[in-house]
Formats: sequence, structure tokens, C-alpha cells
Amino acid sequence: DAKTTQPNSMESNEEEPVHLPCNHSTISGTDYIHWYRQLPSQGPEYVIHGLTSNVNNRMASLAIAEDRKSSTLILHRATLRDAAVYYCILRQTGNQFYFGTGTSLTVIP
Amino acid sequence: KAGVTQTPRYLIKTRGQQVTLSCSPISGHRSVSWYQQTPGQGLQFLFEYFSETQRNKGNFPGRFSGRQFSNSRSEMNVSTLELGDSALYLCASSLGEGKPSNYGYTFGSGTRLTVV
Repeated sequence: DAKTTQPNSMESNEEEPVHLPCNHSTISGTDYIHWYRQLPSQGPEYVIHGLTSNVNNRMASLAIAEDRKSSTLILHRATLRDAAVYYCILRQTGNQFYFGTGTSLTVIP
Repeated sequence: KAGVTQTPRYLIKTRGQQVTLSCSPISGHRSVSWYQQTPGQGLQFLFEYFSETQRNKGNFPGRFSGRQFSNSRSEMNVSTLELGDSALYLCASSLGEGKPSNYGYTFGSGTRLTVV
């Protein structure tokens, strides 16, 4: 699986939007971009995934660059419950998830 | 519907012993994957089972093994425990069919194993 690069940590003020970046310059045409987050003392939680087009769901939005070499997870209004480690993962058909170190998001009240 | 259930939540074992962890997937999910999480190595893939067959395997020694039953429940076993096996062991379930890259996994809360 191709590698992803994320900042180690980010901070955001509560109720403001958060943009979490992910670089994946070696992405292949069949790699899906998945985002998971892990809250303290819990297992990872699915957030969103996409292939080429931008995606929206009730939790977040995923913006994928036109060349697919980067993507951004957007939390529209950060809450204290969004404080977690966010993982950006590339996954090909038949392969398992390989988690990187992720981005630790701190939400400031 | 019920989520992924892992038992026990916490476990303390002595070096040299063996341990068995259990995972009950979401109803209807046929794929179960196991991950080890440690502060130093992060989340690492152990293996995946689908319809009672191991479909994928990570880079772990043979002391780590697993199996899946006909009801999709899965167990993983670690024999001859070492101090370095202390970790959070996570189980994840998914439908397992079709294009795996296009569906998400649901994780359990994990089993915290401490080897002393």
C-alpha cells in the first residue's frame, strides 16, 4: 500500500472548521482514500472514504485534489468530541489497512 | 444493531503463558480482521478471516494465530507470551464481499493485554 504523510498534530478552536491534510504522492488509480479516527481508549472509527470525487457525509467532507496526490478531511464545526487521532489510509482492493502515525487533533474550548 | 464485541476488555498474563481473545462481529459481517496497537509501533495488521478462511496475514511470528467459526465469530491466540506482546488488540468487522477497498470497517473497543 502506498504511504501517506500527515502532520503529527493540529489544533483547532471549538466550533470552527478544521482542515486535516494528507499527502499521498504515490497513490495509484485503484487506491481508495479512507479516513478513520481514534478517540482515547477506543478502537478506530470510520469517518469517510472516496476515490476521485469529493464526498460528504454527516460526520465530515473529503476533498480530493484533482491529481489525487493529496486530500483534505474537513470537519465543518469542531467540537470537543472531535479531539482524536485522525488516520488517512490508502487501500487497494484485497489489501488491508495500513495505519500511519496519524494527526492528533486538539480542540480548544 | 450491536457493534463489534471483544472479550475480555482487560487481561493480565505472565510471560510464557498463552492467551485467547474473542471477537463477535456485527451481524451479517463475514470478515474479521485483527490489529495490534502499541505506543511504539502504532496499529499493525495481524490477519483477516473471511468465511472461516484466513485471507490475509501480516508480518507477525507464528505464535500469533487465529480462527473464525461458522457464525463469523473469531478468536486469536498468542502462545508463549513475551513482554513485548503487551498491547491493545483490536478486532474489526466488515461485509467482506465485493470490492474491499470500497467499504469501511467497524472496530471493537479492543482487549488490553498486559504481559508481566
